[in-house]
Amino acid sequence: QKEVEQDPGPLSVPEGAIVSLNCTYSNSAFQYFMWYRQYSRKGPELLMYTYSSGNKEDGRFTAQVDKSSKYISLFIRDSQPSDSATYLCAMSAAGNAGNMLTFGGGTRLMVKP
Amino acid sequence: NAGVTQTPKFQVLKTGQSMTLQCAQDMNHEYMSWYRQDPGMGLRLIHYSVGAGITDQGEVPNGYNVSRSTTEDFPLRLLSAAPSQTSVYFCASSLGGGGNTIYFGEGSWLTVV
Repeated sequence: QKEVEQDPGPLSVPEGAIVSLNCTYSNSAFQYFMWYRQYSRKGPELLMYTYSSGNKEDGRFTAQVDKSSKYISLFIRDSQPSDSATYLCAMSAAGNAGNMLTFGGGTRLMVKP
Repeated sequence: NAGVTQTPKFQVLKTGQSMTLQCAQDMNHEYMSWYRQDPGMGLRLIHYSVGAGITDQGEVPNGYNVSRSTTEDFPLRLLSAAPSQTSVYFCASSLGGGGNTIYFGEGSWLTVV
């Protein structure tokens, strides 16, 4: 079993829809939770960063962390075709050597005009 | 400000050949790392460095060597390329550990035939 599980998709939605992306994890030591967006043939770029449990909002994006359930989510409101990309969740434990991230496998999102 | 720069972008190698993937960052980051990305696997850590002269192994280090002689550069060497090393390689850097934001390069696509 992988340490971080993420549905690979693809997830296809119409423009304007609300998108929900999720990851589950098994390591209770994870304290830092991130969502990266990766366009085709590009490197991952940081979208959202959350420490411990709670919600964080940035424009159309909301990240939620539920440590009791070991479950994190990313919500995208009013989705746009430009949001079409692969979304990677990533996590790290406090004090881990090298600031190592453990990634989910990524969910491919397609937003259709 | 270039961020994290990787070269080459694309490379085809024959089995048994050696090569070096270059990585440079101009953000004065202490932490640098190399990840590989395979379909459905997310990104996995190969090697990392927490400062000049200090390196250590990540999750999948076999077949790769690294060194860190300067803060800016962190090359990844493939000693004797194998088809299993066909992958996309990402260099990353961060100011430090403890959940500091990690920035990724654009990636190097490597095919070993």
